[in-house]
Amino acid sequence: GAVVSQHPSWVICKSGTSVKIECRSLDFQATTMFWYRQFPKQSLMLMATSNEGSKATYEQGVEKDKFLINHASLTLSTLTVTSAHPEDSSFYICSPSVVAKNIQYFGAGTRLSVL
Amino acid sequence: KQEVTQIPAALSVPEGENLVLNCSFTDSAIYNLQWFRQDPGKGLTSLLLIQSSQREQTSGRLNASLDKSSGRSTLYIAASQPGDSATYLCAANTGNQFYFGTGTSLTVIP
Repeated sequence: GAVVSQHPSWVICKSGTSVKIECRSLDFQATTMFWYRQFPKQSLMLMATSNEGSKATYEQGVEKDKFLINHASLTLSTLTVTSAHPEDSSFYICSPSVVAKNIQYFGAGTRLSVL
Repeated sequence: KQEVTQIPAALSVPEGENLVLNCSFTDSAIYNLQWFRQDPGKGLTSLLLIQSSQREQTSGRLNASLDKSSGRSTLYIAASQPGDSATYLCAANTGNQFYFGTGTSLTVIP
């Protein structure tokens, strides 16, 4: 089956620093990448959708200048949390999509803790 | 906008019981519905995927059903085990996006 690699799995950083999360689809090409986040005891919420080679579309309430998404190739997308604050502490999950099959695959997630 | 609801929010059962988790969605125009398992601090594990043209899918002790017209899906777990303890999420795919339910936290007591 498809394999998605997301790392780091857990990161602790100081407030004000930036953190980059990487998501790779290892054996398929993902034309669309979804980024989700999950706060404690809440469901997953879509943050943004990106298509390879174009700018990401952000959901309402998600700051595009704070959460930088780069989808440079069909197998790699990155999410950078800039100037992280404690309220950004959350679980971030990437989800590369095979549009033609209407299927999404999911990364193992990244737990971000901002001190 | 699609809204997905899961009932109950939490469930605790003794080992060996059969149980049913419920998922409802407001927009019946879906491509598929997927059930996931999430262990604490971990990512999602896909359990079952039901295409819109299908009524049910089975995998081992798990059986998921889909009724598009009524906007409902159920996940049936037979002979529950302590290792089944986790949060179960359903997600409706309306095209290029999944809408997730709030999840059911399951605890199976040995």
